Amino acid sequence: GENVEQHPSTLSVQEGDSAVIKCTYSDSASNYFPWYKQELGKRPQLIIDIRSNVGEKKDQRIAVTLNKTAKHFSLHITETQPEDSAVYFCAASDPGTASKLTFGTGTRLQVTL
Amino acid sequence: GAVVSQHPSWVICKSGTSVKIECRSLDFQATTMFWYRQFPKQSLMLMATSNEGSKATYEQGVEKDKFLINHASLTLSTLTVTSAHPEDSSFYICSAYKTDTQYFGPGTRLTVL
Repeated sequence: GENVEQHPSTLSVQEGDSAVIKCTYSDSASNYFPWYKQELGKRPQLIIDIRSNVGEKKDQRIAVTLNKTAKHFSLHITETQPEDSAVYFCAASDPGTASKLTFGTGTRLQVTL
Repeated sequence: GAVVSQHPSWVICKSGTSVKIECRSLDFQATTMFWYRQFPKQSLMLMATSNEGSKATYEQGVEKDKFLINHASLTLSTLTVTSAHPEDSSFYICSAYKTDTQYFGPGTRLTVL
């Protein structure tokens, strides 16, 4: 099955700086890659996603890039704010069951003042 | 929209009792729902895939007789933790699948005494 690795596990940045979280996946047939943000005790919320026919997608301060050849994708957050502090999970779709997702281990982002 | 609710939000029970958790898609029909378990500071671990009108598909290592899943309608899936024990204490989250994306419920925190 699909295997997703995520780095770093923790990330601390100063307010206003950029943050980058990277994920790699194992199955080249995966074609959908969402990113979720989870605040403590809350549900994961979809913040951005990308499909395999696109190399980059941007939504205001958030962007995701996908390199299919290398099988990795990254989340970029610019001009970070304290409210960006949370745990971020990447995921990759399961080629065998399109609706199923395999999640990365998560990155705890701390934005300091 | 894609709103998913979960009930109860938290539950405390005695060891040996059973607990039922409901997951509802409020504004869309979901033929597929997922149940996850999340331990503190860990990622989402898929327990099972729930398909409306058919038996759930369990992930390896998840006891189907202990975690009973019923998906009787297009908007409701239930997870029953039978004969709960302290090691079953966790955060249980459901998601509903819509248009390539999973939308998560708010989670249920189960504490077994």
